[in-house]
Amino acid sequence: AQSVSQHNHHVILSEAASLELGCNYSYGGTVNLFWYVQYPGQHLQLLLKYFSGDPLVKGIKGFEAEFIKSKFSFNLRKPSVQWSDTAEYFCAVNFKAAGNKLTFGGGTRVLVKP
Amino acid sequence: EPEVTQTPSHQVTQMGQEVILRCVPISNHLYFYWYRQILGQKVEFLVSFYNNEISEKSEIFDDQFSVERPDGSNFTLKIRSTKLEDSAMYFCASSAQGEETQYFGPGTRLLVL
Repeated sequence: AQSVSQHNHHVILSEAASLELGCNYSYGGTVNLFWYVQYPGQHLQLLLKYFSGDPLVKGIKGFEAEFIKSKFSFNLRKPSVQWSDTAEYFCAVNFKAAGNKLTFGGGTRVLVKP
Repeated sequence: EPEVTQTPSHQVTQMGQEVILRCVPISNHLYFYWYRQILGQKVEFLVSFYNNEISEKSEIFDDQFSVERPDGSNFTLKIRSTKLEDSAMYFCASSAQGEETQYFGPGTRLLVL
C-alpha cells in the first residue's frame, strides 16, 4: 500500500533558526505533493503544493519545498523561523493511480521558542 | 476567502448512538471528502463523493458509515451505531472541478463513551 512518512515527530528550535522537515513516500507512479500546516486551534491550511514543473516550489509564509523524484522525497524548508511558525506540519500525497484521496504522513509538531 | 465549515466542533455520544457530522464545503466545489484522525495516529481517508455518489472509499468506511448531500450546501457523515474506536477528529474537505487541491474544514472532535 502507498505510504507517506515524516521523519520527525517533534522539532524544537529557536527563532531565526532554519527548519527542514523530511517527507518521503512510497513508490506509486505519478504523484501530487502537498504540505499542510495546522496552527493551534485552527484547521489544516495549505502551505504549498507540487504537481509538475520546477521541483523547487515556494509557498506561503516563506516556506519552500523541494521534490526529489529519485529519492521519493518532498522536504519542507524555511530559512528563518518565527515564533508564529509553531504548528503541526503534515505532508500529504495524492497517488494518482489510486484516485483523488490524500495519504498523510504522521505530522511533525514544531515548537519555536521565542 | 471562502472556507469549509463543520458543525459541531465537538460532540460527545454514548456507544451505540447515531451521530451526524455536518460540513458546508466551499460553494463552487464539486468534490467532497471525509478524513479522520484518531488521537496519536495519522490522518486517514474515509470517503470521497462526487455527483451525488461515492467515488472512493477506504476499508474503514464500512456499513456503519454513510454520506449524503441532503441539499445544495451541506455534506454529512453519519455513523449509525458508534463504537469506542470511532472517537477521533473528523475532517471534511472539498475541491473544485479540475483543481486537485483539497481545502479542509476545522474538524469535529467526536468522543464516544
